[in-house]
Amino acid sequence: EIVLTQSPGTLSLSPGERVSLSCRASQSVTSGYLAWYQQKPGLAPRLLIYGASSRATGIPDRFSGSGSGTDFTLTISRLEPEDFAVYYCQQYHSSPWTFGQGTKVEVK
Amino acid sequence: QITLKESGPTLVKPTQTLTLACTFSGFSLSTSGVGVGWIRQPPGKTLEWLAIIYWDDDKRYNPSLQSRLTITKDTSQNQVVLTMTNMDPVDTATYFCAHRTVGKTALDYWGQGTLVTVSS
Repeated sequence: EIVLTQSPGTLSLSPGERVSLSCRASQSVTSGYLAWYQQKPGLAPRLLIYGASSRATGIPDRFSGSGSGTDFTLTISRLEPEDFAVYYCQQYHSSPWTFGQGTKVEVK
Repeated sequence: QITLKESGPTLVKPTQTLTLACTFSGFSLSTSGVGVGWIRQPPGKTLEWLAIIYWDDDKRYNPSLQSRLTITKDTSQNQVVLTMTNMDPVDTATYFCAHRTVGKTALDYWGQGTLVTVSS
């Protein structure tokens, strides 16, 4: 099983700031089958990035994904008020599909 | 417009079998490449993938839960059903279903989720 470790656990930031979230895999994620989701309280996760760097439909271009192998990053270029949420990475090539434990981006 | 919605009991007793349905619209599970999966999230915890079924009836399960899970589809009813046997309080979670298309796209459309509590 591929274990995904996200860091940091919590980030306290202000609107307008740039943020980079890390996701490290215990084994190489085949062909970049790595996704990022945003989740707000009481709601379902929302797909932001798939294939490590492709934005999902309707996702603003302030969200970008990068990385390969075992190290992946989600970057938000300028935090908007609606971006404060929990972010999860997921690998979806090797069974079982696994999720990271999440990074919470909170208002400073 | 793709939508999915989960339905089923909100409370089950330990040792009982849970049956959840995912009713969807905006796509067909007979279309090549399409799949519907189940994911759960215990309160305050991260997400756990459970199972997925594809248009060709290919089924994949999380090995840690495989002995307890069954996933089926009813293409004519636009529905996917997940059963989980021998429920335990640790299975208390919000259960989500989600759409996927084979390829690098991940779980791109999700239902709102349904909270299932396991308690006597």
